[in-house]
Amino acid sequence: DQQVKQNSPSLSVQEGRISILNCDYTNSMFDYFLWYKKYPAEGPTFLISISSIKDKNEDGRFTVFLNKSAKHLSLHIVPSQPGDSAVYFCAASRGSNYKLTFGKGTLLTVNP
Amino acid sequence: GAGVSQSPSNKVTEKGKDVELRCDPISGHTALYWYRQSLGQGLEFLIYFQGNSAPDKSGLPSDRFSAERTGGSVSTLTIQRTQQEDSAVYLCASSLALQNNSPLHFGNGTRLTVT
Repeated sequence: DQQVKQNSPSLSVQEGRISILNCDYTNSMFDYFLWYKKYPAEGPTFLISISSIKDKNEDGRFTVFLNKSAKHLSLHIVPSQPGDSAVYFCAASRGSNYKLTFGKGTLLTVNP
Repeated sequence: GAGVSQSPSNKVTEKGKDVELRCDPISGHTALYWYRQSLGQGLEFLIYFQGNSAPDKSGLPSDRFSAERTGGSVSTLTIQRTQQEDSAVYLCASSLALQNNSPLHFGNGTRLTVT
């Protein structure tokens, strides 16, 4: 039973354009969401997070949107850069529960 | 400052052998986690340590898996009688504390291959 789903295994965009990575979740108890970025042979690194009391959080080129009614969140990267090419994982947790539930990841390729 | 350090980075072992994976968390981080990523899958929670509290072992897939954290710092994940399905990247992470949902800082992982 996959509680966090990233239905697109891969995404390819042109440099300078917007990248939109999507994530759906099924557990309505999740109230904190995170995005991690992973380069090959490295561990995931934290990118951005959002609490369920918000619907948007922005940090530089990265914006996360949360639609609680649809149980959907998305990560927008604009403008996309070749260095953004990586696997992006969506993760969720309940309250102070430390167990993050991860999606399977989306491989983003930004073409020069 | 140094990040989370894991060793070895790669381990190939024969089915039935025991393996030990080591994690050095970031200094001062009281919380330590083990996750694993099997091929084509997301990260799967295995075990969590927080200070002197009893660890949460609810994610360990079988009794062949165990972990300990000595002195509140270094952690060792042990897999006994390894099976081919244990092949995965084992990731360790640490964080400051539970409050404010402190982000997890991951090591580069140990890639375990059971032949």
